[in-house]
Amino acid sequence: ILNVEQSPQSLHVQEGDSTNFTCSFPSSNFYALHWYRWETAKSPEALFVMTLNGDEKKKGRISATLNTKEGYSYLYIKGSQPEDSATYLCASPDQTGANNLFFGTGTRLTVIP
Amino acid sequence: EPEVTQTPSHQVTQMGQEVILRCVPISNHLYFYWYRQILGQKVEFLVSFYNNEISEKSEIFDDQFSVERPDGSNFTLKIRSTKLEDSAMYFCASSGTAMNTEAFFGQGTRLTVV
Repeated sequence: ILNVEQSPQSLHVQEGDSTNFTCSFPSSNFYALHWYRWETAKSPEALFVMTLNGDEKKKGRISATLNTKEGYSYLYIKGSQPEDSATYLCASPDQTGANNLFFGTGTRLTVIP
Repeated sequence: EPEVTQTPSHQVTQMGQEVILRCVPISNHLYFYWYRQILGQKVEFLVSFYNNEISEKSEIFDDQFSVERPDGSNFTLKIRSTKLEDSAMYFCASSGTAMNTEAFFGQGTRLTVV
């Protein structure tokens, strides 16, 4: 079992503000780190899959960084919009293979117009 | 855009009854998964399925659970004798390769055991 943690648990920001949140995971036997965006009543949607230390990925106003040596990843949202309101989940597969993901509890983001 | 579909979206069942949750993964994907989220808790891995057999399963996936790919499109999760603690949102997912690529999730089936 992998202990994946996320902080903060929830976050309220004003429209236009930039924000970031953290995912921490065991740094030993790292395989990959996934970020998902989950809107209420919809499917979790993959944002990024990151595998290499120092990886930085970007999709529109959302970007993520990865530090496998210290076991954390940051997700950044620049200029938050109300449509960014969702729960952001990170997950990592365990050392025995890549077929199962261990999820954090998620960060629930609310963007206030 | 291809998507994973799950049916039903909600199911209420009596304790001890069998339930079958159904999923249609993305057609050219090779790996299939079931996860669940009990309210207020983390999303938990149940089982992965590849090449018509279980490739990994968690401690949660005991003898009460089974999975099947009865034809080329459906992927089912059966719970033989439901317990109150099986109440959760169950997610099906599929991926084209192993989990170093993104998984595509369905919208989930909310199972309530009464």
